[in-house]
Amino acid sequence: EPEVTQTPSHQVTQMGQEVILRCVPISNHLYFYWYRQILGQKVEFLVSFYNNEISEKSEIFDDQFSVERPDGSNFTLKIRSTKLEDSAMYFCASSEGGLYGYTFGSGTRLTVV
Amino acid sequence: EDQVTQSPEALRLQEGESSSLNCSYTVSGLRGLFWYRQDPGKGPEFLFTLYSAGEEKEKERLKATLTKKESFLHITAPKPEDSATYLCAVQAETSGSRLTFGEGTQLTVNP
Repeated sequence: EPEVTQTPSHQVTQMGQEVILRCVPISNHLYFYWYRQILGQKVEFLVSFYNNEISEKSEIFDDQFSVERPDGSNFTLKIRSTKLEDSAMYFCASSEGGLYGYTFGSGTRLTVV
Repeated sequence: EDQVTQSPEALRLQEGESSSLNCSYTVSGLRGLFWYRQDPGKGPEFLFTLYSAGEEKEKERLKATLTKKESFLHITAPKPEDSATYLCAVQAETSGSRLTFGEGTQLTVNP
């Protein structure tokens, strides 16, 4: 069964450092997403990406965040200057669009120290 | 603002003891309601999409139903491997393709 692959599975970074979280969506999917889940809290939407541009973003997704699809397979989330409150599980997801359910990756656990 | 409330927060069942999980929602026009299963340290795994009131979907021991204000996930004769957190999410007509999630119900099925 096709799956969304995320790397790394766990990343520890110093406050103020830049991190890049990587994702390989399902190959025939057109819509790509980043969500995050702070420990013990609900899954929260960050950004959606379609046709090589951001289609929607949440209030969380400020100027410190950016997304990119550098080639035909990868989809990345960059956090420019990490803060302690960025510590969370970050999930990448992809979908065919419409009301097809998203397929989520297993996540990257980001720990900012 | 779209809101999703799930109850109970946690549920313990004995193997074979059927029950239901509830998802109440408030959205400005529902495009779809989604149920996901999440195992510890993993991403949400898609179970169902429901589009309109009265709709029902089934998968093995799970059955999801939808009304205009809430959805139920019925678990019939659960097994220990059904233990997980079950997440409900809505997609609203006015919110593009984003999903708004509830807090989830943590289900534990004891053998």
